[in-house]
Amino acid sequence: DAKTTQPPSMDCAEGRAANLPCNHSTISGNEYVYWYRQIHSQGPQYIIHGLKNNETNEMASLIITEDRKSSTLILPHATLRDTAVYYCIVRVVNSGGYQKVTFGTGTKLQVIP
Amino acid sequence: GAVVSQHPSWVICKSGTSVKIECRSLDFQATTMFWYRQFPKQSLMLMATSNEGSKATYEQGVEKDKFLINHASLTLSTLTVTSAHPEDSSFYICSAVKPLQGGEAFFGQGTRLTVV
Repeated sequence: DAKTTQPPSMDCAEGRAANLPCNHSTISGNEYVYWYRQIHSQGPQYIIHGLKNNETNEMASLIITEDRKSSTLILPHATLRDTAVYYCIVRVVNSGGYQKVTFGTGTKLQVIP
Repeated sequence: GAVVSQHPSWVICKSGTSVKIECRSLDFQATTMFWYRQFPKQSLMLMATSNEGSKATYEQGVEKDKFLINHASLTLSTLTVTSAHPEDSSFYICSAVKPLQGGEAFFGQGTRLTVV
């Protein structure tokens, strides 16, 4: 798996958009970008993933640069419950679905009232 | 999203005893499950990959005789920490891969193991 680089921590005001960057400069053409988050003492929660197009779901938006070397996770209106560690992961997904999910250090997002 | 359930959520055991943690995929069949451990303020560390009907694949540095993994069915994998010691105290998390849906990995809620 390609390695990712994320800032160790970020603050965001409640109600504002939280933009979490991730660098994955060695990503391969068949690797997807995945985002998970982990709220304290819980298991990671899937947020969103994409290959090269921007993606949006009910939780967040994922913006992937044209060269795919970096991406940004956007939480449009951060709430206190979004305080968590956010992990950006790149991985191959094959038809059988088997691929290790290896975590880096992530970004600790603190949403401030 | 899919549901992965871990049991127990927390356990306290005496040093030298063994503890079994269960991981179940409740609404899909998972041929592949992963086991992680996480120490305080650290990231998740992959311990092993559990494949239904075959032996688990352990990451470098993980003792396979100490952390026994059994994936006997498509919905259940178990991790047994044998002869537990205080240094095995950690947060253990399992993950199940949902095939045919982009290989998304869904995580259990974790098990807090404390060895006294």
